[in-house]
Amino acid sequence: EPEVTQTPSHQVTQMGQEVILRCVPISNHLYFYWYRQILGQKVEFLVSFYNNEISEKSEIFDDQFSVERPDGSNFTLKIRSTKLEDSAMYFCASSFPGQGSYEQYFGPGTRLTVT
Amino acid sequence: RKEVEQDPGPFNVPEGATVAFNCTYSNSASQSFFWYRQDCRKEPKLLMSVYSSGNEDGRFTAQLNRASQYISLLIRDSKLSDSATYLCVAGTASKLTFGTGTRLQVTL
Repeated sequence: EPEVTQTPSHQVTQMGQEVILRCVPISNHLYFYWYRQILGQKVEFLVSFYNNEISEKSEIFDDQFSVERPDGSNFTLKIRSTKLEDSAMYFCASSFPGQGSYEQYFGPGTRLTVT
Repeated sequence: RKEVEQDPGPFNVPEGATVAFNCTYSNSASQSFFWYRQDCRKEPKLLMSVYSSGNEDGRFTAQLNRASQYISLLIRDSKLSDSATYLCVAGTASKLTFGTGTRLQVTL
């Protein structure tokens, strides 16, 4: 069964550094997403990407964040100048909208620890 | 008001019990509704989509009431393996909004 994959599974970085989180969505999916979950809190939407551009973004997704689809398979989230409060699980998801259904399938996540 | 609101639980039930979870959503523009399951420190996994006509998948039944903006999940004959956090979700093509989740613990 096809699945979303993410690398790395765990990333430790120092405050102020830049990190790139990588995702390979399910191959025939058209929508790509990033969510984050701070420990003990709910899953929060960051950004969605469709047709090579951002479709929607949340208030969290400020100038510190950017997304890119550098080739036909990868989808990346870049976080510049990381802060302690960026420590969270970051989940990538993808979907193939059809017949009005927007089921999203999630990758296993990248645990980001900012020290 | 929270966009998606659900009772955090925990719900502690014996094996074989029937348990029901409810949630409400505030954004009337929501187009799709789901229940996801999340195990500790894992990703959300899609359990089922929710429709106004009701949706049943084995021991799981989900229902949507658009008029009252209310979503429910019924689990019959609970198994130990059902122990997890159940996330109520409302969304559009470009965004899902999650509730905080309801924790279920099924015991012997």
